[in-house]
Amino acid sequence: SAVISQKPSRDICQRGTSLTIQCQVDSQVTMMFWYRQQPGQSLTLIATANQGSEATYESGFVIDKFPISRPNLTFSTLTVSNMSPEDSSIYLCSVGGAGGQETQYFGPGTRLLVL
Amino acid sequence: GENVEQHPSTLSVQEGDSAVIKCTYSDSASNYFPWYKQELGKGPQLIIDIRSNVGEKKDQRIAVTLNKTAKHFSLHITETQPEDSAVYFCAIIQGAQKLVFGQGTRLTINP
Repeated sequence: SAVISQKPSRDICQRGTSLTIQCQVDSQVTMMFWYRQQPGQSLTLIATANQGSEATYESGFVIDKFPISRPNLTFSTLTVSNMSPEDSSIYLCSVGGAGGQETQYFGPGTRLLVL
Repeated sequence: GENVEQHPSTLSVQEGDSAVIKCTYSDSASNYFPWYKQELGKGPQLIIDIRSNVGEKKDQRIAVTLNKTAKHFSLHITETQPEDSAVYFCAIIQGAQKLVFGQGTRLTINP
């Protein structure tokens, strides 16, 4: 499976500010995804990061709040904009695996606390 | 949208015993069923998956069974060890690529 890294690993931010999270993969992948995991909860898909085009967002998530970039096949960023305490979560990127389109492997996550 | 029910939410077993976690789903079109293990401070790790053309898959102490008719699948861990303590998530695939996760099971292995 691919090696996935995320930066930063954690951060504490003030409300009203924005944070950009980076996801780097050690090999070219077609599919990259961003998930949110609220404290003690399960994972929810935010959007699919499409290379060369706009991200595809899930219901309840909008581009103005979570802009995503995917400049190439190994890198993506997620920005959490105008943060509030409710945005305190773990943000995870995942990539589709070579074993099959459905298989997904996750990065270590970015732990965000908004004060 | 698609719903995945996972039970139990917490499970405590003695070291060496077996643990079973079950998930039910409603979308009969789902054909891919992965299980993830998430340790504290880490991202979810894929531990086993099954596709709808098989009923059971085993990898050492871990096995997954699938009953497509009844729309449920289960994770079985035998000879549990302290390092098996973690949160386990089941998931299904919706459409071509969207993973929908269960609520998670916190498994504790007691020495």
